[in-house]
Amino acid sequence: AQTVTQSQPEMSVQEAETVTLSCTYDTSESNYYLFWYKQPPSRQMILVIRQEAYKQQNATENRFSVNFQKAAKSFSLKISDSQLGDTAMYFCASLIIQGAQKLVFGQGTRLTINP
Amino acid sequence: NAGVMQNPRHLVRRRGQEARLRCSPMKGHSHVYWYRQLPEEGLKFMVYLQKENIIDESGMPKERFSAEFPKEGPSILRIQQVVRGDSAAYFCASSPPMGEQFFGPGTRLTVL
Repeated sequence: AQTVTQSQPEMSVQEAETVTLSCTYDTSESNYYLFWYKQPPSRQMILVIRQEAYKQQNATENRFSVNFQKAAKSFSLKISDSQLGDTAMYFCASLIIQGAQKLVFGQGTRLTINP
Repeated sequence: NAGVMQNPRHLVRRRGQEARLRCSPMKGHSHVYWYRQLPEEGLKFMVYLQKENIIDESGMPKERFSAEFPKEGPSILRIQQVVRGDSAAYFCASSPPMGEQFFGPGTRLTVL
């Protein structure tokens, strides 16, 4: 069974600082994707970044990057130069490539960027 | 290309009533997924459907909940005889085969 764990219920940083959100996962499969989703107060689920497990290079999208440690089953999200608009819930998720295609989400981390 | 549409956005029901939640996938997407988000929790998978077929319903409660995705029209998540514990945000996502899932804006169900 897949599990995803986010151990930081809440985090708070000052604008322009760098913040890292933690995520660990467990799966017996070798082919899978990992995701970070952002959920602002509007509750819309927005894909932030995606990592294919077979790729060793860490994914990067502008100010967002991941630290993917496959052996440790760790998938952290780093937000550089944080902005007020980054304030949201952030969810880590995994998806097995072969199979039911269902996303398994962590419990979420509430991130607040302070001015 | 319109995104995933869900309606209604907000639904209020009294205990014992039925709730019908609709999801129109993105154009060209034949796969639909339903997830439930309880307050202060992450999304939990409920059901995965393709046109006229339920592929995986392992996350659906055994009673009162059903889902369909007919050949024509939106996917429907139906909750019969709602109880207060059904109050949650229900998200639909759609994808092409083996493709990325795109989420709709969700339906917030409140049971009085």
